[in-house]
Amino acid sequence: QKEVEQNSGPLSVPEGAIASLNCTYSDRVSQSFFWYRQYSGKSPELIMSIYSNGDKEDGRFTAQLNKASQYVSLLIRDSQPSDSATYLCAVNMNSGGYQKVTFGIGTKLQVIP
Amino acid sequence: KAGVTQTPRYLIKTRGQQVTLSCSPISGHRSVSWYQQTPGQGLQFLFEYFSETQRNKGNFPGRFSGRQFSNSRSEMNVSTLELGDSALYLCASSYSGVSTDTQYFGPGTRLTVL
Repeated sequence: QKEVEQNSGPLSVPEGAIASLNCTYSDRVSQSFFWYRQYSGKSPELIMSIYSNGDKEDGRFTAQLNKASQYVSLLIRDSQPSDSATYLCAVNMNSGGYQKVTFGIGTKLQVIP
Repeated sequence: KAGVTQTPRYLIKTRGQQVTLSCSPISGHRSVSWYQQTPGQGLQFLFEYFSETQRNKGNFPGRFSGRQFSNSRSEMNVSTLELGDSALYLCASSYSGVSTDTQYFGPGTRLTVL
């Protein structure tokens, strides 16, 4: 089992729809969760961070965390073609006494005009 | 505020050689982390330096090493290069570290090993 799992996609949604991106993780004691967006040929940039169970909203983006189910998701409302990118889920984990951030493989999102 | 800078942007090396990559963090940031990104494995954490000390590390062999200077600039060294080391190497800086803080990524160094 991978430490952070994401469906690599591509996930195709029509413009204006809600895109739902999902991520599961293996470490029950993880406390910090991040969503990064990476455009092709560019570096990742942070969209959202979430630390507590529930929803966190920022503009068109909502991050959802369920620690009991070890599940974190990102919803993008009113999807735009400019949202087309790869979305990386990242989870802080403890490994052998060290803290590290583990990224999922990323989900490629395509927003169709 | 200037972003994270990495040099060089592109490198071509042959097997067995060694390489040093450089990263300058955002001013005021004390944490620098290094990542390897490949199409098959995605983004993998190498290590984190904070105030000149390696604070965290991932699961990479000892051929991968790094250091951080008093001005927070960091270097990563890969010795005895292998074909599988071909990747995009990204560094990221943050104020307090990978555990809780936003990381800002540099543009990366594309390493090709022939």
